[in-house]
Amino acid sequence: SQQGEEDPQALSIQEGENATMNCSYKTSINNLQWYRQNSGRGLVHLILIRSNEREKHSGRLRVTLDTSKKSSSLLITASRAADTASYFCATPSTSGSRLTFGEGTQLTVNP
Amino acid sequence: DAGVTQSPTHLIKTRGQQVTLRCSPKSGHDTVSWYQQALGQGPQFIFQYYEEEERQRGNFPDRFSGHQFPNYSSELNVNALLLGDSALYLCASSLLGLELRETQYFGPGTRLLVL
Repeated sequence: SQQGEEDPQALSIQEGENATMNCSYKTSINNLQWYRQNSGRGLVHLILIRSNEREKHSGRLRVTLDTSKKSSSLLITASRAADTASYFCATPSTSGSRLTFGEGTQLTVNP
Repeated sequence: DAGVTQSPTHLIKTRGQQVTLRCSPKSGHDTVSWYQQALGQGPQFIFQYYEEEERQRGNFPDRFSGHQFPNYSSELNVNALLLGDSALYLCASSLLGLELRETQYFGPGTRLLVL
């Protein structure tokens, strides 16, 4: 079963707009990670936020984590057509050996 | 510095056949994990190899087996293929150290179609 659930399942926006994706998880975590996947290819690691962090930035990406609500959000600012991809949140097991992924959000950025 | 590589990129098999997928980890990494991703879903953990042994296993039947070689490369074998085994198979490598093991680096995947 999936640990995380992304919301929405699909998102379509215009270039220049911001895109926000949400992720909920079920158990206690050490960290939460976001990955991007272009057209059924491999996953690219975007950002990792630890359980003692509330917000983290990386370029146009902003990730928040609310451990009390067991949720995280990924904000992509000033989106570009090249941001079109599927975005997944993932949480590692306590041993750190396995990642459990959500179902993903399919983002389409229209030029 | 080569990233994670996988071969082949695409594969077509028929039900009942056996398949072997291959993965070379990122340089310096010693741990390889395999994931299955069905269309429209998130990746599901199959198993992980470290020091040539299966370290952890997900909820997959024994038809799925693996191997890790002394050079850290890995193979995923699937026997008695079913239609439902059609998926993208992803290999991820990491370093089993305190700081780096949390981030896994993924290969481009092998697309398997079972007819």
